[in-house]
Amino acid sequence: DAGVIQSPRHEVTEMGQEVTLRCKPISGHNSLFWYRQTMMRGLELLIYFNNNVPIDDSGMPEDRFSAKMPNASFSTLKIQPSEPRDSAVYFCASSLEGLWRGEGNTEAFFGQGTRLTVV
Amino acid sequence: AQKITQTQPGMFVQEKEAVTLDCTYDTSDQSYGLFWYKQPSSGEMIFLIYQGSYDEQNATEGRYSLNFQKARKSANLVISASQLGDSAMYFCAMSRYNFNKFYFGSGTKLNVKP
Repeated sequence: DAGVIQSPRHEVTEMGQEVTLRCKPISGHNSLFWYRQTMMRGLELLIYFNNNVPIDDSGMPEDRFSAKMPNASFSTLKIQPSEPRDSAVYFCASSLEGLWRGEGNTEAFFGQGTRLTVV
Repeated sequence: AQKITQTQPGMFVQEKEAVTLDCTYDTSDQSYGLFWYKQPSSGEMIFLIYQGSYDEQNATEGRYSLNFQKARKSANLVISASQLGDSAMYFCAMSRYNFNKFYFGSGTKLNVKP
């Protein structure tokens, strides 16, 4: 398996522009996560999907951020309009959630991340 | 709410020595999983080891072992025979069995000295 694939790897954009980050999870995984990593705040969970449905978006910073998962093999994180404080590394991760107690969950497999710089 | 605490922002260890990275967690759940990840300077997140809350044996993966003390809610990572390539950030994480949300600690930066 190719692992979790994110694109682009690097993005530089001007303040006010729309930014779209893309993620292809590992085939067969039913959970997908978007994380943001900064020096100041560490790893923050933005949103968590299970079976393509957003389960918890409490980490999404504000209405400028939106995430979609139209099917099991693709997700996007959009920032509109972007601001300099959005500059960070954005990770997508996927895992397989156990169906019942005792089966447990697999670890989260991370993509390589997208380094976003908003100038 | 779930919480992961890593109290060591940075640590140094001499090459070939063992090192323990601390992790404590707070949860009221009975079933959960604990994970350790390594993030080298190149930025990728690499899974190292997993411990289930019902596992009676401490998990081991090569030079990595997890010192799991359920009553104390601690899940320390032990790296034996440190290598220069072990220099990286290390993150402890937890997930709940019936809610697959991963909670991460703030990380520990490990430097291995030659």
